[in-house]
Amino acid sequence: QKEVEQNSGPLSVPEGAIASLNCTYSDRGSQSFFWYRQYSGKSPELIMFIYSNGDKEDGRFTAQLNKASQYVSLLIRDSQPSDSATYLCAVNDYGGGADGLTFGKGTHLIIQP
Amino acid sequence: GAVVSQHPSWVICKSGTSVKIECRSLDFQATTMFWYRQFPKQSLMLMATSNEGSKATYEQGVEKDKFLINHASLTLSTLTVTSAHPEDSSFYICSAQTGPNQPQHFGDGTRLSIL
Repeated sequence: QKEVEQNSGPLSVPEGAIASLNCTYSDRGSQSFFWYRQYSGKSPELIMFIYSNGDKEDGRFTAQLNKASQYVSLLIRDSQPSDSATYLCAVNDYGGGADGLTFGKGTHLIIQP
Repeated sequence: GAVVSQHPSWVICKSGTSVKIECRSLDFQATTMFWYRQFPKQSLMLMATSNEGSKATYEQGVEKDKFLINHASLTLSTLTVTSAHPEDSSFYICSAQTGPNQPQHFGDGTRLSIL
């Protein structure tokens, strides 16, 4: 049984600061890692994806992957009140076929103006 | 690009009714689509994988006779909740990929309330 663990929060960060979100996963066979943002009552929106160890940057967002430690993180620089949402970590095998995602329960992020 | 449309966005109906939810990929073809369910304060749980031209693959614990999936074309998958009961009330969300090993993009979801 694949498991994806996240701290549910809430994580409160002042506006303009760096928000750091963490995720661990149980299946060492996981190949693909995703961060989705979900506003209350809405469906998830893709923020970042990462497949290789190391860092991947896209604008204010940086995803970090450490497969040896089975750890994924998301950094949000210059946090804005509009970043307040639940952030879902998801993993996938992508073992040659198409697989559904295994989601964590999400971290509720609050950016304080 | 990569727009997934889901309809209807909200359904309220009586117990025993069957409800059909449509998921369309608007600007790409999707041989595979996915159906998830999310209960309040919970995360998304994969229900089934919808494969164009073949039977859907259901996750353990999901009743295939209750949740009928049809992937009739490369741009349309439907989920029918048959004889819905109050415990089926949930947020149902579909997703699709633009290609192999690509991220999944989600529809806006359907909020189903069974009275």
